[in-house]
Amino acid sequence: GDSVTQMEGPVTLSEEAFLTINCTYTATGYPSLFWYVQYPGEGLQLLLKATKADDKGSNKGFEATYRKETTSFHLEKGSVQVSDSAVYFCALSDGGSSASKIIFGSGTRLSIRP
Amino acid sequence: DSGVTQTPKHLITATGQRVTLRCSPRSGDLSVYWYQQSLDQGLQFLIQYYNGEERAKGNILERFSAQQFPDLHSELNLSSLELGDSALYFCASSVAWGAHEQFFGPGTRLTVL
Repeated sequence: GDSVTQMEGPVTLSEEAFLTINCTYTATGYPSLFWYVQYPGEGLQLLLKATKADDKGSNKGFEATYRKETTSFHLEKGSVQVSDSAVYFCALSDGGSSASKIIFGSGTRLSIRP
Repeated sequence: DSGVTQTPKHLITATGQRVTLRCSPRSGDLSVYWYQQSLDQGLQFLIQYYNGEERAKGNILERFSAQQFPDLHSELNLSSLELGDSALYFCASSVAWGAHEQFFGPGTRLTVL
């Protein structure tokens, strides 16, 4: 079945460091890919998405490119801030079926030191 | 604020009991999804409803059931509760099914003692 694998955390960086969180997926169809973020004590929020190969999703300085050839959707940010500390989930959705759902990776906890 | 509301925010109950979690989707959204988030299992999809009908089922136990009402709000019923059912339960909604963004509610934290 479809699945998402993302790098294990926790990841701890200093403010203004470069961030990469790796995500790879397995899917039989042509999924849409998402990054969700969960701040402490809150629900998940969509951070960015890409619906087809070579699409780049971007939001709040974060970017991820849908790479079909490597089945990857790595999250990057050039300069992280303390306020970026959260848990990040990579996810896919098989939008082609009427019985679709989002499959989440296990989450990566990110902590940013001032 | 995502526009999805969930009640109650916290629920503490005993093993063997039954509870009902409630979700109101964003205005205009027809799909409702339920997820369970626990430390050992991560975030797991439970079930999806679209306009009152069940559309997809994930890792939902037989002790759990859900429904979506004509006004589109949804309830998740958990019965014969066990200690391992303690988790955060999230509801999400989207305008339809498919590759649409899902908007998550703040969650209900269930503690089974």
